[in-house]
Parts: sequence; structure tokens; C-alpha cells
Amino acid sequence: EPEVTQTPSHQVTQMGQEVILRCVPISNHLYFYWYRQILGQKVEFLVSFYNNEISEKSEIFDDQFSVERPDGSNFTLKIRSTKLEDSAMYFCASCGDFTDTQYFGPGTRLTVL
Amino acid sequence: AQSVTQPDIHITVSEGASLELRCNYSYGATPYLFWYVQSPGQGLQLLLKYFSGDTLVQGIKGFEAEFKRSQSSFNLRKPSVHWSDAAEYFCAVGSNQAGTALIFGKGTTLSVSS
Repeated sequence: EPEVTQTPSHQVTQMGQEVILRCVPISNHLYFYWYRQILGQKVEFLVSFYNNEISEKSEIFDDQFSVERPDGSNFTLKIRSTKLEDSAMYFCASCGDFTDTQYFGPGTRLTVL
Repeated sequence: AQSVTQPDIHITVSEGASLELRCNYSYGATPYLFWYVQSPGQGLQLLLKYFSGDTLVQGIKGFEAEFKRSQSSFNLRKPSVHWSDAAEYFCAVGSNQAGTALIFGKGTTLSVSS
């Protein structure tokens, strides 16, 4: 069964450094998302992406964040200058045009020191 | 405001006992409702979803959920819990448009005692 994959599974970085989290969505899906879950808190929406542009973003998704689909398979989330409060589990999800169900990857745990 | 409430933070049930996890939502449009499960170190796996039609929906692993519009609820049930069901369960609401953000509840952690 096709699935969403994410790399790395765990990333440790110093405050102020740039990080790129990578996702490979399900191959025939058209909508892509990033969510995050701070330890002990709920899963929060960051951004959705369709047709090579952002379709919706939350207030969390400020100028420090960007997303890109650099090729036909990858979907990336970049944090330009990480802060301590960016430490969280980041989930990628994808959705087909007609299924309306978002399928999630296993997540990347980001630790900012 | 759009929100999902899962009133129970942690529930413990005995193996073989029945289970009900509560979920209430507030959503401005026609809600699409989901239950996801997260095992330790794993991603979010879809258990079941409700879009329209029969208000009792069946999912994987023997779970079912009932949509009650009058109560704005979408409670998850299982008649007989197995030890492998121990995990965190998230209720989420979205719209019928692909690309729309899901709004999640805070989750309920299920422990199963032998």
C-alpha cells in the first residue's frame, strides 16, 4: 500500500540554523500539507500546497517557514532560522484530488538546542 | 471558532472490555470527521472517516464511530479492546474540499490493562 515517507526521522540542530525537512507524498496525490505537534500538545496545521503554490497557511507559518516541491516527488519544509520553540514533531500529509482523506507520514522529530 | 474537543486525556480499559472515546466538534461548514491513531514512534494512521450517509461508520481494527449532528459528536467505539490498541487517538474535523486544513483534538491516550 502506498505511503507517505519522511526524512530524517530525527533532526537535532542549533538555534539559528536552517533546517529542511523532506517528505515524499503518495505518488498520485495532488495536495500536500505540513502539520506539527509540540510535545504534549495537539497536532496543528501549518500549510497546504497545491499546484505549486500555497493554498492555505496558519498563523504559525510565518516568514521563517517556506515550502517547496523541488521535483516531481519531494515536498520540503524549510525553517530559515530555528528557534527553541520550533522543537516539535513535524508531519507531512498528502491527499488525492477526489479522496478528501489526508494520509500522514511517520513524522520528523526536530530538536532545537 | 472551529475546534475539536476530546474530553478524556487518558483512559485505561481492561483487555476484552468495551471502549468509547468521546469527540465533540465545532465547525462552521459541513464537517468531515476523522479518527486517527498514533502508536509510539509512529505516524498518524487513519482509523475511519465520516463524510455523509450512514451515520455509523466502520473502520479498521474493529473500530466504529457514530456521527450525531444534534450533539456535534463523533464518538469512537470498539466492543472488545486488545492490548495492541494501546495508543493515542485523535479526532479531527475538516471540510469537503481537498486542501483544507484538518483541525485536531488534543488526543486521548488509551492504556489497556491485562
